[in-house]
Amino acid sequence: GESVGLHLPTLSVQEGDNSIINCAYSNSASDYFIWYKQESGKGPQFIIDIRSNMDKRQGQRVTVLLNKTVKHLSLQIAATQPGDSAVYFCAENPPLSGSARQLTFGSGTQLTVLP
Amino acid sequence: DTGVSQNPRHKITKRGQNVTFRCDPISEHNRLYWYRQTLGQGPEFLTYFQNEAQLEKSRLLSDRFSAERPKGSFSTLEIQRTEQGDSAMYLCASSLAAVTDTQYFGPGTRLTVL
Repeated sequence: GESVGLHLPTLSVQEGDNSIINCAYSNSASDYFIWYKQESGKGPQFIIDIRSNMDKRQGQRVTVLLNKTVKHLSLQIAATQPGDSAVYFCAENPPLSGSARQLTFGSGTQLTVLP
Repeated sequence: DTGVSQNPRHKITKRGQNVTFRCDPISEHNRLYWYRQTLGQGPEFLTYFQNEAQLEKSRLLSDRFSAERPKGSFSTLEIQRTEQGDSAMYLCASSLAAVTDTQYFGPGTRLTVL
């Protein structure tokens, strides 16, 4: 079946630099995408979301970009801090159909912030 | 704390025993979801409820898995006759049915089957 995947399993950045985490999705019917952050031993924490009628959305220090032409999603973190070290997952949500509301997750990218 | 809560946080059991986990969603959320997460992987959807109705359960891993949400508030996930392969993190999420339906996750229950 179709699934969401991530390009890189690990990413190391220097503290203060910007981070970019990429994600490829294959379900062209998906119209809503979410980024989660998961620290060791904890549940996924919502970061930011974007609907398919948008190509960019900004939050506090984070920006999500959506390129529907190539089915690509990215998460940009500005001025990366040690507390940003975690696994980042992108997930897609099927269209509002009244049926299963199941998120499909990729395998995640481990972000490590170096001092 | 008004987030999703799960109990217990950790459960160690012997193979063949039954286990039950509880999830308390965010109070105004009418949808509740169960996921399983194994080491190094993203969460895998199991089932979901809207209020007390279980609207999707075909993704439950086997007939040993069952879930309930009798009053449309908290939910329980039961695994009967546990196997070592059931060892995983079991995550609960809740959402408010709306345009975006954003799911917020609890801290999870870590199950270890010996």
